Amino acid sequence: GNSVTQMEGPVTLSEEAFLTINCTYTATGYPSLFWYVQYPGEGLQLLLKATKADDKGSNKGFEATYRKETTSFHLEKGSVQVSDSAVYFCALNYGGATNKLIFGTGTLLAVQP
Amino acid sequence: DAGVTQSPTHLIKTRGQQVTLRCSPKSGHDTVSWYQQALGQGPQFIFQYYEEEERQRGNFPDRFSGHQFPNYSSELNVNALLLGDSALYLCASSLGGRALNEQFFGPGTRLTVL
Repeated sequence: GNSVTQMEGPVTLSEEAFLTINCTYTATGYPSLFWYVQYPGEGLQLLLKATKADDKGSNKGFEATYRKETTSFHLEKGSVQVSDSAVYFCALNYGGATNKLIFGTGTLLAVQP
Repeated sequence: DAGVTQSPTHLIKTRGQQVTLRCSPKSGHDTVSWYQQALGQGPQFIFQYYEEEERQRGNFPDRFSGHQFPNYSSELNVNALLLGDSALYLCASSLGGRALNEQFFGPGTRLTVL
């Protein structure tokens, strides 16, 4: 079946450090891939997405490239800030007649000043 | 423009009771999906409503049921509550019921079952 695997957290970084959160997926066909962010006490917010192979999604300094050959969608940011502290979820949407998201387990990022 | 709203924010119930959670979609959206997020886990798809019909269902028992009203708002009902039903319940809205249309999430309802 379709699934998403994320690196386990927590990931603890100092401000201005480089961030990578790994995400790999298993899916038949060609899903779209997403990163969502959940700040403490809030719901999920879409961070970025990519709908086909080799697409790069980007937003707020975060980037992720859809790699079909490695079935990966790793999240990166060149210089993290304390305000980036949150839980990050990788997800796929395998299309079809419904808009059903399949999420990974989430990765907690803690950025220290 | 109001985003997705959910009520109540928090809820405490005891085992065996029934609960109803409510969701109002983002303005202009006609599709509502419900997700269960257990502590420390990613959200799990429960079901989706479009044109007042349940379109697809995740791996949840029949104790979980829902409804969509003509104004596109939706309810999630859970009967015979179990301790394991304690979770954050998220509602997401989108447009047209089509795959890949962005889903906008509400802040969730935190359900605690004692």
